[in-house]
Amino acid sequence: DTEVTQTPKHLVMGMTNKKSLKCEQHMGHRAMYWYKQKAKKPPELMFVYSYEKLSINESVPSRFSPECPNSSLLNLHLHALQPEDSALYLCASSQTPGGGGTDTQYFGPGTRLTVL
Amino acid sequence: GQNIDQPTEMTATEGAIVQINCTYQTSGFNGLFWYQQHAGEAPTFLSYNVLDGLEEKGRFSSFLSRSKGYSYLLLKELQMKDSASYLCAVNSGGYQKVTFGTGTKLQVIP
Repeated sequence: DTEVTQTPKHLVMGMTNKKSLKCEQHMGHRAMYWYKQKAKKPPELMFVYSYEKLSINESVPSRFSPECPNSSLLNLHLHALQPEDSALYLCASSQTPGGGGTDTQYFGPGTRLTVL
Repeated sequence: GQNIDQPTEMTATEGAIVQINCTYQTSGFNGLFWYQQHAGEAPTFLSYNVLDGLEEKGRFSSFLSRSKGYSYLLLKELQMKDSASYLCAVNSGGYQKVTFGTGTKLQVIP
């Protein structure tokens, strides 16, 4: 099973709303990632969690708040977003974090977010 | 910093062979991924090259030259369903940092 699931598939929110994106994997992977992808652009790394600890934050604004409650789950909490934050948010996981890793990242189907 | 370059668009004929190139400049290089992404869908893994040389997997092959900072993805016997974006992505440093190139949109025509 190489499945990463994400919910919801689509989300529309206002700039004052608070919402959360969820990601789950049951492959025993210990590294999980959030990417943001705008139309016709490649995915851009936002956060990396290694062994449930935040290891990379690519200077993401604080209105995006990641959380990794356990090794299978990854959340992205959203608050006071801007219309320019509208994008496809992709979650990925890989087997082992750590220097020089060679593990494939498996992507979830993504959440398409629209901020009004 | 990192710099990853791919052609923006390519067109090829069904049944033909196409080669998509990727050049990169990075520090702490670990390896290079190729992903396929259909419009509106998540990327799917195609290949991962760590050492120099060619790796073949069915109709798809990927080549890496670390000294030249160069890779290519070779698609044989093209099918209409191969129309997609092909993303080159570099794995560098620790903690699995993966940086994607801008992607090459391939259109397969009859």
